[in-house]
Amino acid sequence: DIQMTQSPSTLSASVGDRVTITCRASQSVDRWLAWYQQKPGKAPKVLIYEASVLQSGVPSRFSGSGSGTEFTLTISSLQPEDVAAYYCHQYKTSSNMFGQGAKVELK
Amino acid sequence: EVQLLESGGGLVQPGGSLRLSCAASGFTFSSYAVYWVRQAPGKGLEWVSGISGSGGRTDYADSVKGRFTISRDNSKNTLDLQMNSLTAEDTALYYCAKGHGDYAPSNYFDYWGQGTLVTVSS
Repeated sequence: DIQMTQSPSTLSASVGDRVTITCRASQSVDRWLAWYQQKPGKAPKVLIYEASVLQSGVPSRFSGSGSGTEFTLTISSLQPEDVAAYYCHQYKTSSNMFGQGAKVELK
Repeated sequence: EVQLLESGGGLVQPGGSLRLSCAASGFTFSSYAVYWVRQAPGKGLEWVSGISGSGGRTDYADSVKGRFTISRDNSKNTLDLQMNSLTAEDTALYYCAKGHGDYAPSNYFDYWGQGTLVTVSS
């Protein structure tokens, strides 16, 4: 199975900061990677699919990049409502592995 | 509007069984793969199982293979998960999620339900 590793596990940043989360796959997933945001007590919500395609309705401060085994999710200017856990998800194979998550907090 | 509504969660003893259901609306159910994803308390997301639009293909995480069975009824727009031989490690919030398309072999999940809680404890 393809393993997904996110870093960092937790990060603290100030409003307006640029935030970057990395996701590494144990083998190539091409561009079959999605990013989800999960706020406390809520279901996950897709932000990005196919590594860099912004889901409709998602603010443009979110962006994704990468291919193969290394991917990044960037929040260009952190807002208070972005406090959440973020998960990457490979969907190249039917094993559908998620990363362990990255929690974004306000400093 | 796409809606996914899970039900069937509850408290069950180790070794017991439980059947979860997900009622779908707002899209052509038979055209899309659907999935179960779980989240243990305070932990991350874990994919559990998926089923193609026709129901002809199913997949399971190694952690549940042989114990859980996914099924769907396209005439009723429902997705089920039969869970047997439950252990404490199965305690989690179980989400139903819609795939963006049919099996390809997989999809990203574009809509999620609110989840149903399964607690395995004596």
